[in-house]
Amino acid sequence: TQLLEQSPQFLSIQEGENLTVYCNSSSVFSSLQWYRQEPGEGPVLLVTVVTGGEVKKLKRLTFQFGDARKDSSLHITAAQTGDTGLYLCAGGHYGNNRLAFGKGNQVVVIP
Amino acid sequence: GAGVSQSPSNKVTEKGKDVELRCDPISGHTALYWYRQSLGQGLEFLIYFQGNSAPDKSGLPSDRFSAERTGGSVSTLTIQRTQQEDSAVYLCASSPNPGTDTQYFGPGTRLTVL
Repeated sequence: TQLLEQSPQFLSIQEGENLTVYCNSSSVFSSLQWYRQEPGEGPVLLVTVVTGGEVKKLKRLTFQFGDARKDSSLHITAAQTGDTGLYLCAGGHYGNNRLAFGKGNQVVVIP
Repeated sequence: GAGVSQSPSNKVTEKGKDVELRCDPISGHTALYWYRQSLGQGLEFLIYFQGNSAPDKSGLPSDRFSAERTGGSVSTLTIQRTQQEDSAVYLCASSPNPGTDTQYFGPGTRLTVL
């Protein structure tokens, strides 16, 4: 059973376009993290959200945590080729040392 | 300082052989995690070490898998009698604190079992 479902699994867009990817669960999480992974490398943390309804911005990336803390979205404005990568969401619970990872959103930005 | 390092970066082995994968965490990080990432799959938790506490082995898929962490630093993941389904990228991560703190990942070891 996959705790976190990410959609779409694969997305290809032209440079300059906007995109949104989603991370959904039936479980409530105390925190949710987004990582980006490039080929041959390990995931790198982009952001952590902990409050329902929280919105965080990282340059052209906007992350939102759902009000019920069950889902999250990542919006990229004016995508660049450097945004290409696998975006992984991971949910955590207080008192639990493990993160549950989704399968990822593979984003390809075409020049 | 240096990030998390893993060795080897690639390992090709024959079915039935044993393999050892090494992880050097960031100095001072008390928490260390091993994950497995198969093609098209998310990160599958394998095992977690925190300081001198007993490790959380609940993610190990079979008794062919084991791991140890010596001196609270370097960790070795051992897979005995490898099977083709063990082929995957094995990722190690360390964290300064347990729980949902940031995990810093190494580049992974790509294991191919022929």
